[in-house]
Amino acid sequence: SFGLTQPPSVSVAAGQTATITCGGDYLGSRVVHWYQQKPGHAPAVVVYGDTDRPSRIPERFSGSNSDNRATLTISRVEAGDEAVYYCQVSDNTADKPVFGGGTKLTVL
Amino acid sequence: QVQLQESGPGLVKPSETLSLTCSVSGGSLNDYDWSWIRQSPGKGLEWIGCVYDNWNMNYNPSLHSRVTLSVDTSKNQISLTLDSVTAADTAVYYCARSRGWFFDSWGQGTLVTVSS
Repeated sequence: SFGLTQPPSVSVAAGQTATITCGGDYLGSRVVHWYQQKPGHAPAVVVYGDTDRPSRIPERFSGSNSDNRATLTISRVEAGDEAVYYCQVSDNTADKPVFGGGTKLTVL
Repeated sequence: QVQLQESGPGLVKPSETLSLTCSVSGGSLNDYDWSWIRQSPGKGLEWIGCVYDNWNMNYNPSLHSRVTLSVDTSKNQISLTLDSVTAADTAVYYCARSRGWFFDSWGQGTLVTVSS
């Protein structure tokens, strides 16, 4: 079955740019969504449809997707961005969603 | 704005059945798909199953033999039952709304512990 690979952790200093990757076969041909999950809370979408942001999400959050990798980029990282980020696609063969394992973003 | 609220027992004994309900307010069940997703302590997200907008169901193959979803449109609720639970089923259970496998709204989640 289709799988997504994320690094377990990413650390970045406040004010710098965080890059979180999501790998999968031919991922560029699929639509990727990104969710942010803070401790004790449900996941919430930060990027959907590869590159779109809900209106409540600041422009500092952006997404891209091509070839075998999707990327979530967070510019000017703030302490409040510290969370676990999950990528997600649909497995069209099995008609089900697939989540990556999650990446814990630590803000130094 | 739609709100989702999970409810049900927080403790279930091994081999028994887990039953949860997701109550939807501020919106109709129509035109969207509704999923249950769980997260074991300290782990990632596992999709359990979905009720499509045409009321058909789809289940994660790994849980299919034990899971049943149902819909009560008069109450705006989606329900989950999971049979023959074990400690491995201990998790926070979320209901979520989607269209085309994009989950745009989530409940706050409810922790279910399987223990005697």
